[in-house]
Amino acid sequence: DAKTTQPPSMDCAEGRAANLPCNHSTISGNEYVYWYRQIHSQGPQYIIHGLKNNETNEMASLIITEDRKSSTLILPHATLRDTAVYYCIVKSGTNAGKSTFGDGTTLTVKP
Amino acid sequence: ETGVTQSPTHLIKTRGQQVTLRCSSQSGHNTVSWYQQALGQGPQFIFQYYREEENGRGNFPPRFSGLQFPNYSSELNVNALELDDSALYLCASSDRGAFSYGYTFGSGTRLTVV
Repeated sequence: DAKTTQPPSMDCAEGRAANLPCNHSTISGNEYVYWYRQIHSQGPQYIIHGLKNNETNEMASLIITEDRKSSTLILPHATLRDTAVYYCIVKSGTNAGKSTFGDGTTLTVKP
Repeated sequence: ETGVTQSPTHLIKTRGQQVTLRCSSQSGHNTVSWYQQALGQGPQFIFQYYREEENGRGNFPPRFSGLQFPNYSSELNVNALELDDSALYLCASSDRGAFSYGYTFGSGTRLTVV
């Protein structure tokens, strides 16, 4: 499995965009980038995933570099409720549910 | 859609005992994965079940075992509990044929071993 590297913590002002980076330099051609988040005392919540094209849904945007060695999750207008631990996972699609999560990035949105 | 339901929400057991945790998958989901999350760490993959068969296992000893039933609900059994087994246990379900939708997690069972 490709290893991922994320900063341990980040702050963001409420209403501003939160940009969370993830490095995955050993990603294989069939591996997707998945993002989950975990709000305190809850189970992780799926946010978005992508293979090589940029993706957007109602929660976030995912930007994957052309060489696929890194990606950025963008929360366009962060709110206090977006304070959580964000996990970046790299896995092939059929193995997505066998991922061991790393330590993630703790995002704190401040008023 | 009812989501993923886990029971019980909290549990206290004594070292050496056995425990069974239960998970009701989201409607239509045929795949369930179990995770252990120690305090301050990310979830660690225990094993996955697909259509009642084990379909992958993480680095956990055999005293961690599981079952998936025809209705796709699932159990995690842990024998000979150790203090280090204290953790949040999460289950997550998916329709394996639609892996692109990600996995839906339950809120977990908090197990404390004393």
